[in-house]
Amino acid sequence: SQTIHQWPATLVQPVGSPLSLECTVEGTSNPNLYWYRQAAGRGLQLLFYSVGIGQISSEVPQNLSASRPQDRQFILSSKKLLLSDSGFYLCAWTYGANYGYTFGSGTRLTIV
Amino acid sequence: AQSVTQLDSQVPVFEEAPVELRCNYSSSVSVYLFWYVQYPNQGLQLLLKYLSGSTLVKGINGFEAEFNKSQTSFHLRKPSVHISDTAEYFCAVSGGSGGSNYKLTFGKGTLLTVNP
Repeated sequence: SQTIHQWPATLVQPVGSPLSLECTVEGTSNPNLYWYRQAAGRGLQLLFYSVGIGQISSEVPQNLSASRPQDRQFILSSKKLLLSDSGFYLCAWTYGANYGYTFGSGTRLTIV
Repeated sequence: AQSVTQLDSQVPVFEEAPVELRCNYSSSVSVYLFWYVQYPNQGLQLLLKYLSGSTLVKGINGFEAEFNKSQTSFHLRKPSVHISDTAEYFCAVSGGSGGSNYKLTFGKGTLLTVNP
């Protein structure tokens, strides 16, 4: 069966520090991968998605970036975090429009 | 372009009462529709989905939803709620054909609070 792992579960980082969040999927190949951010009262905001290794599409301009170095690995990064980067970050995968997404358990990021 | 409107941001109900969470969508193409549930500090979990066929879809935890094409709605219902159903619920739509990004468009969510 397929599983998705996301870590860490919680993270407290100072303003201006770098960030790396990792997401991996097991039990499938060539999945579509997604990074979402959930801020209080703002629903789910799609940040990046990837349809294959090295292919990254950005949905909103920001100081975050994403990479997909391996088929089932998706990384969210920042060189310098801002206070506005605080939120709940979710990774998800799918292999078809009719399957919906399977989400990871999320990372609560607090910038101080 | 697709959009999803969840008509209620918060729905308080008493335990064992029925509940309906409303969702309307707009799309120029045929769509797939989904409902997700999110418990505090957790990821989203798929409740049910409509792809085609019968307009009444049954999901996990006793939830069901009805697809109404003429009203472009996909409302979620449960005949009797429990305290454990307290969570945020998201409606989502995916374009039924074309493209390889399989992007889902989510509504802003409805917080269901079940009171004793």
